[in-house]
Amino acid sequence: AQSVTQPDIHITVSEGASLELRCNYSYGATPYLFWYVQSPGQGLQLLLKYFSGDTLVQGIKGFEAEFKRSQSSFNLRKPSVHWSDAAEYFCAVYTGTASKLTFGTGTRLQVTL
Amino acid sequence: GAGVSQTPSNKVTEKGKYVELRCDPISGHTALYWYRQSLGQGPEFLIYFQGTGAADDSGLPNDRFFAVRPEGSVSTLKIQRTERGDSAVYLCASSRKASPEQFFGPGTRLTVL
Repeated sequence: AQSVTQPDIHITVSEGASLELRCNYSYGATPYLFWYVQSPGQGLQLLLKYFSGDTLVQGIKGFEAEFKRSQSSFNLRKPSVHWSDAAEYFCAVYTGTASKLTFGTGTRLQVTL
Repeated sequence: GAGVSQTPSNKVTEKGKYVELRCDPISGHTALYWYRQSLGQGPEFLIYFQGTGAADDSGLPNDRFFAVRPEGSVSTLKIQRTERGDSAVYLCASSRKASPEQFFGPGTRLTVL
């Protein structure tokens, strides 16, 4: 069965600093990969997705992620964090055989001014 | 267009009671998913509908949980004899047929006292 690991439970960065959130997955083939963001009391918003092709994908709000097959990773990055980016971030994988998303446990991002 | 909607947004009930949670998917989306998000965790898959039928209900924790989608649109998640451990946010998502990209509703926060 597929699994997703987000090793960082909580990250604090200063506004304007760069950000990288880690995600590793376990699956026999290349899955579809997603990053979602969840603000307090809100649902999940899709930031970006990787299906195939270029391994560097661009998303909304200035986020990007890079798929690295050799490391089974799909890390999320942003060059300059804004205070409004404070939220919970979830990495997820989808496999056609299961027709469902499997999520990591999330990384809570705190932004200091 | 309208996104996925869920009602109620909050539900407080007493242990042993029966609850129903409703999900209205995006118009034209044939696939519908229910997930449960416990405090501090990522969403966990419960059940997946393709049209009116449950294509995969492997995530339902026990037989107290049941879901229906009688006309292939609105879905209702039903929980019998609620327990305190059922307290969580219940998320609904929909997608086009067999698409890995799922669109989430705002969730229903269930609290069992």
